[in-house]
Amino acid sequence: EPEVTQTPSHQVTQMGQEVILRCVPISNHLYFYWYRQILGQKVEFLVSFYNNEISEKSEIFDDQFSVERPDGSNFTLKIRSTKLEDSAMYFCASRADRGGYTFGSGTRLTVV
Amino acid sequence: GENVGLHLPTLSVQEGDNSIINCAYSNSASDYFIWYKQESGKGPQFIIDIRSNMDKRQGQRVTVLLNKTVKHLSLQIAATQPGDSAVYFCAVQGSNTGNQFYFGTGTSLTVIP
Repeated sequence: EPEVTQTPSHQVTQMGQEVILRCVPISNHLYFYWYRQILGQKVEFLVSFYNNEISEKSEIFDDQFSVERPDGSNFTLKIRSTKLEDSAMYFCASRADRGGYTFGSGTRLTVV
Repeated sequence: GENVGLHLPTLSVQEGDNSIINCAYSNSASDYFIWYKQESGKGPQFIIDIRSNMDKRQGQRVTVLLNKTVKHLSLQIAATQPGDSAVYFCAVQGSNTGNQFYFGTGTSLTVIP
């Protein structure tokens, strides 16, 4: 069964550093998403991406965040100048058309 | 926007019994609903979905019921097994909220052997 692949599975970074979280969506999917889940809290929408541009973003997705699809397979989330409160699980998801997502296994980001 | 809540944060059931997990949503324009299962250390896994033109949908050992009048959604798991132990989320998408989903806080299901 096709999977969404995320790397790394766990990332530890110093406060103030930049991190890039990587995702390989399912190959024939057209819509890509980043969600995050702070420990013990809801899964929260960050951003959706379609046709090489952001289609929707939440209040969380401020100037500190950016997304990119640098080639035909990767979808990245960059967090500049990380803060302690950015520590969370970050999930990438993709879908073919209007329907359910397929989520990756997540990257656990720990900011120290 | 949308406010999605689950009625119980934890649920314990005996192996073999049926489980019912509930979810409430606030936006009457919401028209697509998904139940996800999340095991420890993994991403949410699709279980079953339902659109607002239906009130019931069945899968393998799972049934989703939708009551649009009271904006309530439930997941029924028949003959619950130890492998069903996980956190279950409902996710709600509305026709007027773009293509993002709003997630509930999750119900942690524990199956007692």
